[in-house]
Amino acid sequence: GGIITQTPKFLIGQEGQKLTLKCQQNFNHDTMYWYRQDSGKGLRLIYYSITENDLQKGDLSEGYDASREKKSSFSLTVTSAQKNEMAVFLCASSTDRVGGNTLYFGEGSRLIVV
Amino acid sequence: GDSVTQTEGQVALSEEDFLTIHCNYSASGYPTLFWYVQYPGEGPQLLFRASRDKEKGSSRGFEATYDKGTTSFHLRKASVQESDSAVYYCALSDLGGSNYKLTFGKGTLLTVTP
Repeated sequence: GGIITQTPKFLIGQEGQKLTLKCQQNFNHDTMYWYRQDSGKGLRLIYYSITENDLQKGDLSEGYDASREKKSSFSLTVTSAQKNEMAVFLCASSTDRVGGNTLYFGEGSRLIVV
Repeated sequence: GDSVTQTEGQVALSEEDFLTIHCNYSASGYPTLFWYVQYPGEGPQLLFRASRDKEKGSSRGFEATYDKGTTSFHLRKASVQESDSAVYYCALSDLGGSNYKLTFGKGTLLTVTP
């Protein structure tokens, strides 16, 4: 088995600040994802990466940057934190297979903007 | 684009009640369908998946049957337990689009009281 580790578990920052979330996986999966979770809105894809140094925008990429410098890690930066961005951010990695990928998620990082 | 519509909000049941959470999808191709479950304080985890019309997925007493005719994948369990209390997400992965992207529904909170 493997594990997805997200740090920090809680990230507190001020409005306008640049804030970064980190994710590590030891599954040796090629593809990694960042999703945003808001109550009543489900999971919305921010960025994903199918291999090292690859980045693909999701439906919610505006206001975010991502970086995949190693196969095992994927970071997400909120470029200018806003109070309406307080949410849980979920990192995932996947087995790449024909017929649809199964995602393995971390426990999430909660962003708090003061 | 692809979309998933599932029972909205919260479903409140007593132990041993029958559970149905509705899920309907819209996709350009022939998607793989998933149910994920998220327990408090954890990330979502795969419950099961199905890739073909009439295929039944099942796990832990939960089941759903892929129905291409009605574009549905409804989650059912004959007798729920308090430990089933969690958020349930229906999702799809569309090979006609990007195999890497999962589209999630908004989630349904199941609360089971003893």
